[in-house]
Amino acid sequence: QFQLQESGSGLVKPSQTLSLTCAVSGGSMNSGSRSWSWIRQSPGKALEWLGRIFVNGISDSNPSLKSRVTMSVDMSKDQFSLKLTSVTAADTAVYYCVRDSSGIAEDWGQGTLVTVSS
Amino acid sequence: EIVMTQSPATLSVSPGERATLSCRASQSASSNLAWYQQKPGQAPRLLIYGASARATGIPARFSGSGSGTEFTLSISSLQSEDFAVYYCQQNNNWPYTFGQGTKLEIK
Repeated sequence: QFQLQESGSGLVKPSQTLSLTCAVSGGSMNSGSRSWSWIRQSPGKALEWLGRIFVNGISDSNPSLKSRVTMSVDMSKDQFSLKLTSVTAADTAVYYCVRDSSGIAEDWGQGTLVTVSS
Repeated sequence: EIVMTQSPATLSVSPGERATLSCRASQSASSNLAWYQQKPGQAPRLLIYGASARATGIPARFSGSGSGTEFTLSISSLQSEDFAVYYCQQNNNWPYTFGQGTKLEIK
């Protein structure tokens, strides 16, 4: 079982960029047919799958985010990252990094709360 | 995108009884449907994938069924640790989407 740990800024000002990194341990990021994803959960709201990145660097983002999402992966450091630009209060949420296999979220980080506020 | 709708929003059941949770997709998700359990302050945990396959370590009292647009999660003989929020999620079409959750509470 993989262990995942999010890190990054917990407070972001409106219009700025949210940046998070996920450290992966317990296995090789480059084995098996899996991708590495970000899911968020706004207070009192359901879960939203933000995007996924494959070990070859190809990524998909949720169209609802209108190209504000950038993801990257660094196999040498066993980590992957999320950047979300032009944030608003609506982006306040708990952000989870996830190991998924064909869209099945098998392993989750503990989550990190990001608050957007001036 | 596929919209997932769960019912009921809240379900009150006594320990030892059976709970049945429903999930409907706005278009066919085939059998690409997962269920997750979330307890307060914790990340969701995968219970069921492929509509009916239990994830590693999940007790046999959890079972999933359905295909297409109608899915069900059943929990037989509820234990105290089963009271939580349950989410369904389709992984048939990108973007993957979740239902709004069903809160299973003690009656």
